[in-house]
Amino acid sequence: EAGVAQSPRYKIIEKRQSVAFWCNPISGHATLYWYQQILGQGPKLLIQFQNNGVVDDSQLPKDRFSAERLKGVDSTLKIQPAKLEDSAVYLCASSLVRTANTEAFFGQGTRLTVV
Amino acid sequence: GDSVTQMEGPVTLSEEAFLTINCTYTATGYPSLFWYVQYPGEGLQLLLKATKADDKGSNKGFEATYRKETTSFHLEKGSVQVSDSAVYFCALGANRDDKIIFGKGTRLHILP
Repeated sequence: EAGVAQSPRYKIIEKRQSVAFWCNPISGHATLYWYQQILGQGPKLLIQFQNNGVVDDSQLPKDRFSAERLKGVDSTLKIQPAKLEDSAVYLCASSLVRTANTEAFFGQGTRLTVV
Repeated sequence: GDSVTQMEGPVTLSEEAFLTINCTYTATGYPSLFWYVQYPGEGLQLLLKATKADDKGSNKGFEATYRKETTSFHLEKGSVQVSDSAVYFCALGANRDDKIIFGKGTRLHILP
């Protein structure tokens, strides 16, 4: 079974530039999560999708971050414009059903450095 | 709101030592509890889970018991190996809104 795919693995941009990350979840997984993991901290949930609808985006900085999930499969997370404090690893995860009892499978993440 | 607190690292042990990583939680209702592990250069992966009080999750020699009375889910292993060196995250799954909330992580170093 293929895992969660993310790209790119690494990205370096200047502040005020824009950047986009892509995630392809495990086939058939209805729930998709984007997490932000700042160095030395645990992952923080940014947005949660159920199929192509947003379930929770309460911690997404909507003035600069946006996310979409096309046709309930792939997802993109965009930052525009980037700030220095956005430097982090961005993790995508998916799970089979919308329940916190179900294991979430994580991609390897995209490491973003904003200079 | 719901939260997870785990012991700060790094934790450094010799091979074959006994390991405990403490984790406590605050949650409304009855969450599920997880331990995730992140090996160097790899993504997060589920190590074990428990979905109700007194359940014991186990995998790869690691164990953790869901203790409702102490709101804890401590990770233990009787004899650690160098290959267990990684960052360990305690997490809770909030049944109310399906969020998975992580602790800050504990880095474990095992010396040969």
